[in-house]
Amino acid sequence: GAVVSQHPSRVICKSGTSVKIECRSLDFQATTMFWYRQFPKQSLMLMATSNEGSKATYEQGVEKDKFLINHASLTLSTLTVTSAHPEDSSFYICSATGQGFYEQYFGPGTRLTVT
Amino acid sequence: DAKTTQPPSMDCAEGRAANLPCNHSTISGNEYVYWYRQIHSQGPQYIIHGLKNNETNEMASLIITEDRKSSTLILPHATLRDTAVYYCIVRPLNTGFQKLVFGTGTRLLVSP
Repeated sequence: GAVVSQHPSRVICKSGTSVKIECRSLDFQATTMFWYRQFPKQSLMLMATSNEGSKATYEQGVEKDKFLINHASLTLSTLTVTSAHPEDSSFYICSATGQGFYEQYFGPGTRLTVT
Repeated sequence: DAKTTQPPSMDCAEGRAANLPCNHSTISGNEYVYWYRQIHSQGPQYIIHGLKNNETNEMASLIITEDRKSSTLILPHATLRDTAVYYCIVRPLNTGFQKLVFGTGTRLLVSP
């Protein structure tokens, strides 16, 4: 199956700083990538959908100026959490899909801890 | 998208079949039933999907009732590594471009 990677797997940052998370499709062209957030013992919540070369579409309640998404190539999307606060601590997961795919492939997730 | 209902948790003995039910009584004629699972602290993993016929792959079998209002995911010989949260999702398109809406899922615990 298709492989999606995320980097870093874990990150700790101080409150007020920004952190960037990368999502890469390793063996296919990902025309669309999705970003999810998961708090402890809760389900995944979709944050935004990004299409290569276009602006991301954010779900209701997700601040686009705080969670910056860039999808500049067919294999890479980045999520930048700006001015992070402790309440942004969460498990961030990306998924990717491409032409002809009937499902999304998920990355392993990035655990963000804001101190 | 149609709403799904799953039991919050289930137990299964190692080596036995795990049958995970999902209710989707408001499913529309063009909506597919997808199953994913999430092992602790990992990203979700696709398992199987179907429209109205029963489906089988190397991981599991999917049984969809004739009226399509419910389905059952069957893991024929559960192992400890099958311990995970299993999500049943109904979606209108058979394409990866359709966004996924995750419910609360069923936490399956496989014990020795």
